Parts: sequence; C-alpha cells; structure tokens
Amino acid sequence: KNEVEQSPQNLTAQEGEFITINCSYSVGISALHWLQQHPGGGIVSLFMLSSGKKKHGRLIATINIQEKHSSLHITASHPRDSAVYICAPLGGSNYKLTFGKGTLLTVNP
Amino acid sequence: NAGVTQTPKFRILKIGQSMTLQCTQDMNHNYMYWYRQDPGMGLKLIYYSVGAGITDKGEVPNGYNVSRSTTEDFPLRLELAAPSQTSVYFCASSPSLYGYTFGSGTRLTVV
Repeated sequence: KNEVEQSPQNLTAQEGEFITINCSYSVGISALHWLQQHPGGGIVSLFMLSSGKKKHGRLIATINIQEKHSSLHITASHPRDSAVYICAPLGGSNYKLTFGKGTLLTVNP
Repeated sequence: NAGVTQTPKFRILKIGQSMTLQCTQDMNHNYMYWYRQDPGMGLKLIYYSVGAGITDKGEVPNGYNVSRSTTEDFPLRLELAAPSQTSVYFCASSPSLYGYTFGSGTRLTVV
C-alpha cells in the first residue's frame, strides 16, 4: 500500500485555468514538501509546510494535518507550469521523505 | 552557489561493471541523500547520511554502497551493475530535516 496518494495522476489544462493537485497520506508527519520536476530535468522544492497555507506567486499550497491532506493550487496556469508535481511528506517512523508518484501537468496555450 | 552537483549526467554501463556516482554540495549541509526514480514510481531512498562519517541504509540499498568522508561529498558506488539498476539517480542535501536541495540527476542505463 502506497503511503502517499496523489490525484489526479495526469492533468491537462488550458492556459489561464485554475489547477488543483491533491495529496493524501496515511502516516503522521511533521511537514510536507511539494516538488516540481520538468521533463528530463532536476527536482526543485516549491514549498515546505507544516500547517495552514503558503503562497509563492501563482502557487498556493495548503495542508490539513488532522485530515492528512494537502493541496497544491496554480492560479492563471501557463505552459511553463507544465511539469510533474510531487508530494513528499516528512515524518512517520523514520523522519525521512516519502514520495508520491507525481502528477503530470500539461498546460496548453 | 552551485548547490548540489551530480556527475555524470548520463552513463551507460554493461552488466557486471562498476561505477561511482559523484555528489557534492557547497552549502555545508549535514544531511545528504541518494534516491532513485523509476518510471511511474515515487522516488525511493537508497542511502542517507546525517554527517561526515555516518551513513545508513534507506529503502532500497541492495547493490549500492556509500561513504561520507567529508561534509561536502557523498558518492554512491554501484558494484556489479544489473539491469534492475537502470534508473535516474538523484542526490539531495538538507541542513536539517527540512529544506531539501536536489541535484540535477544522473540517468543510468545498464545493458
């Protein structure tokens, strides 16, 4: 059983649309990372949050620790947002990151 | 700052060959990690280190070895390469349990 579930697995949007990617996890955590990976590229950390909400430009991340759920929102999506977005909770029994399989986002012009 | 530097970016190995994937960070981070990323799967932790001279196994350590003689360097050694080790390998570092920085990855193919 995968401890981290992301939905959807694939998402196609038109430029300008509002995007939501969801992450549910089954273990207790101390924090959660959202990561971005462009095709064939490296991994960049977008957010680390342990409660509430964080905002960087057009990206917003929220977390509900009690419900074991986090969401990543992208407002006014752009083709350059096309990438894989990975949810990675930190915690559980070993205080190391557990990674979701990622959500492939494609934003068409 | 260079951040986390991985070399090489690409490599093709024959079955049974050995190689070392290099990872260097210039941020004075105590924690360093090696992950592998297989198609359609989340990243899996191979080995990690909490400081120079200290290493420990992650989820998938078989077929790999590491060392951490300095704070900056955390090389990953593959002995007797197998096709199952075909993957993309990422090195990462963090100053504590939070704030990860990833390298750009090494794409390894074993044929």
